[in-house]
Amino acid sequence: DQQVKQNSPSLSVQEGRISILNCDYTNSMFDYFLWYKKYPAEGPTFLISISSIKDKNEDGRFTVFLNKSAKHLSLHIVPSQPGDSAVYFCAARDSGTYKYIFGTGTRLKVLA
Amino acid sequence: EAQVTQNPRYLITVTGKKLTVTCSQNMNHEYMSWYRQDPGLGLRQIYYSMNVEVTDKGDVPEGYKVSRKEKRNFPLILESPSPNQTSLYFCASSLDSRNFGYTFGSGTRLTVV
Repeated sequence: DQQVKQNSPSLSVQEGRISILNCDYTNSMFDYFLWYKKYPAEGPTFLISISSIKDKNEDGRFTVFLNKSAKHLSLHIVPSQPGDSAVYFCAARDSGTYKYIFGTGTRLKVLA
Repeated sequence: EAQVTQNPRYLITVTGKKLTVTCSQNMNHEYMSWYRQDPGLGLRQIYYSMNVEVTDKGDVPEGYKVSRKEKRNFPLILESPSPNQTSLYFCASSLDSRNFGYTFGSGTRLTVV
């Protein structure tokens, strides 16, 4: 049973437009959420995080939104650039064990 | 440079031949973990270690062993590899057990034939 779901395996966006990547979770014990970006032949790299006590966190072109009542997380990239083309994973931390559960990833393609 | 180093990057082996994938971090991190990535399944935790000599099973530990004799090293051992262990493996480390996020290695692509 997947506790963290990324229902869109892939997404294509034009350069300069907004990319919105979504993540849903089922466990109300998750208290910290991360987004990672992964290029081919490289390990995932940390992008942005958000604590469950907040509903928004911004870092440059990247903003993460958390809707706790809906158990929904989203990553907005504005404006999207070709270098943003990668696989994006969301991850949620269990507040009891501090273990992370990862989603299955969304492949973003930004078209020039 | 702060990093997690895994070796080898690529490995093809035969069923039943013991192998070890090494992992080393230079950030003095307490927490280390191994993940495997498979299509459609995301990243799944194999084993983790909260500190030296403290290891525990993750979500998919069957067929794997680990050890944590030193803080910087966390090798993954496959005593008798099988084809269903063909996967992309990542080692990761975090400052401490509160785990506010990982630094990942570059990955090891393992093929068991």
